[in-house]
Amino acid sequence: GESVGLHLPTLSVQEGDNSIINCAYSNSASDYFIWYKQESGKGPQFIIDIRSNMDKRQGQRVTVLLNKTVKHLSLQIAATQPGDSAVYFCAEIPVDSSYKLIFGSGTRLLVRP
Amino acid sequence: DSGVTQTPKHLITATGQRVTLRCSPRSGDLSVYWYQQSLDQGLQFLIQYYNGEERAKGNILERFSAQQFPDLHSELNLSSLELGDSALYFCASTLRAGELFFGEGSRLTVL
Repeated sequence: GESVGLHLPTLSVQEGDNSIINCAYSNSASDYFIWYKQESGKGPQFIIDIRSNMDKRQGQRVTVLLNKTVKHLSLQIAATQPGDSAVYFCAEIPVDSSYKLIFGSGTRLLVRP
Repeated sequence: DSGVTQTPKHLITATGQRVTLRCSPRSGDLSVYWYQQSLDQGLQFLIQYYNGEERAKGNILERFSAQQFPDLHSELNLSSLELGDSALYFCASTLRAGELFFGEGSRLTVL
């Protein structure tokens, strides 16, 4: 498939290690945050979400942490696999516009075999 | 397969021309979103429709317009195309805000 070719920060991890992808969001009034994964040549895919009244949420091999004090969101991937190689985006829904989903700039995750 | 269908997958055209990108949402989804993804801008929100009505607008150029039809499919019209309009255009649909299902995109190249 085609690569989007974005000029993104890159995180390189060894297969089997844990990955932590960080995101700083801009709108302190946002109350809903989501992580998306975009593989080469495909559209973004929903991974996990978290509401602003929570600070942690776990899924299958993934955990999202929210620190509202410093407006920081992180995605932790346990036992990273080659199939996790992709671009990861955080996204937020501003409380004043629940119909908008605003994406951050993204991080490329490369998994070394 | 997300269930969202976008056509065409690839489109090459010249500056000044007009194109229409089409999106068929997942069965049952009432909301359709359009995003533009270019090299230096990431995913930029363009516009969102719910059951035929425009609900939110992002930084969509006046040369661009969209609509959602009674059968819920949507079209994004791009006119007076410029080189800088070359990008991937994604459509997404959803039943609930946040969990969007994206199509595979339409890659537009303006020469």
